Amino acid sequence: DAKTTQPNSMESNEEEPVHLPCNHSTISGTDYIHWYRQLPSQGPEYVIHGLTSNVNNRMASLAIAEDRKSSTLILHRATLRDAAVYYCILRSWAGGTSYGKLTFGQGTILTVHP
Amino acid sequence: SAVISQKPSRDICQRGTSLTIQCQVDSQVTMMFWYRQQPGQSLTLIATANQGSEATYESGFVIDKFPISRPNLTFSTLTVSNMSPEDSSIYLCSVEGDAGVYTQYFGPGTRLTVL
Repeated sequence: DAKTTQPNSMESNEEEPVHLPCNHSTISGTDYIHWYRQLPSQGPEYVIHGLTSNVNNRMASLAIAEDRKSSTLILHRATLRDAAVYYCILRSWAGGTSYGKLTFGQGTILTVHP
Repeated sequence: SAVISQKPSRDICQRGTSLTIQCQVDSQVTMMFWYRQQPGQSLTLIATANQGSEATYESGFVIDKFPISRPNLTFSTLTVSNMSPEDSSIYLCSVEGDAGVYTQYFGPGTRLTVL
């Protein structure tokens, strides 16, 4: 499986933007870039995913480098509730089915200061 | 989205005993996954469970230690057998979203402590 590299931790102030980087230099052409986050004492939750183009949803934005070897998760205005571990995961697909296990790295611990 | 519940939410067990963890989903799903999260660590996939077939285990996990049942499309169990303190972890189940959704939904986890 292609591997991702993330900083161990990052800090932000409330209501400021946060840019969480992820390196995935061995990504293959069919790997999707997924981001999940795990709030304290909860299971992970899906944040966003993309293949080549930048993506936006109500939670965050995903900026993907042109060579796809890196990506950045952008939280436009951090809140205290965004304090979590953020995981960048490459997800391979088997043919046309939706099978593709999630391989979690260590993630980035995001601390948000009031 | 899918809503997943797990029972028990936590338990404290003696070494040498077994614990069965239940995972219930509010909709029918083909694929269910069981993960382990050891203290301070990330999640590791234990096995994939499809209804009507044997579970597929990841390297380092064996059926004798972690037997899995998948009797229908909304339910699965994971048993942690002959427990030792090293099995103290959070065990989470997850399900694959609908086709085209490309996400997994996770349960809240079962926090297991083995004394």
